[in-house]
Amino acid sequence: GAGVSQSPSNKVTEKGKDVELRCDPISGHTALYWYRQSLGQGLEFLIYFQGNSAPDKSGLPSDRFSAERTGGSVSTLTIQRTQQEDSAVYLCASSLVGSVHEQYFGPGTRLTVT
Amino acid sequence: GENVEQHPSTLSVQEGDSAVIKCTYSDSASNYFPWYKQELGKRPQLIIDIRSNVGEKKDQRIAVTLNKTAKHFSLHITETQPEDSAVYFCAASLNTGNQFYFGTGTSLTVIP
Repeated sequence: GAGVSQSPSNKVTEKGKDVELRCDPISGHTALYWYRQSLGQGLEFLIYFQGNSAPDKSGLPSDRFSAERTGGSVSTLTIQRTQQEDSAVYLCASSLVGSVHEQYFGPGTRLTVT
Repeated sequence: GENVEQHPSTLSVQEGDSAVIKCTYSDSASNYFPWYKQELGKRPQLIIDIRSNVGEKKDQRIAVTLNKTAKHFSLHITETQPEDSAVYFCAASLNTGNQFYFGTGTSLTVIP
């Protein structure tokens, strides 16, 4: 079946602009994660959605970052007033219920803030 | 919260030799330990995982060992091949929690 998809694959934006990144998880996966990966760095947890529960936002680096998940499926990560340090690859992953199941990653969105 | 440390950050081996990557974790309640391989420009993909009720798991040239007492787990790749070159991430999670805690990654280079 289809894997996790993300769009756009690449996004170049000017400093100060807002951007929206989209994630389509695997059908039936109720858990969805967003990560940020800076060049040559590890995976930085941003936010986690599980079903209809309140999301775990503990990894969001500032109030410029927000995410929502509509209908328990598609998720959108929004970065307002982008800064150059926001440049990174943003990865989305989904899994079955709970954190003891394999996460399937999307291909990522490479964000460049000029 | 959980803290996962991974070593080494870079590793170079000759083709055919073995490679070992080690991770430690801090929360004794962690009970699921996956390893992900990320090739250049691609997404991380699960290569092997282990749960806390076993000490070792093997899949062809790849094996993972877990020492719950010492709170560390290791990835072993035998008979390395150039296509094993990638960044490898370890992770730990609790079945009562929401997060996966990732290590900082190991860049493995297999020299032909």
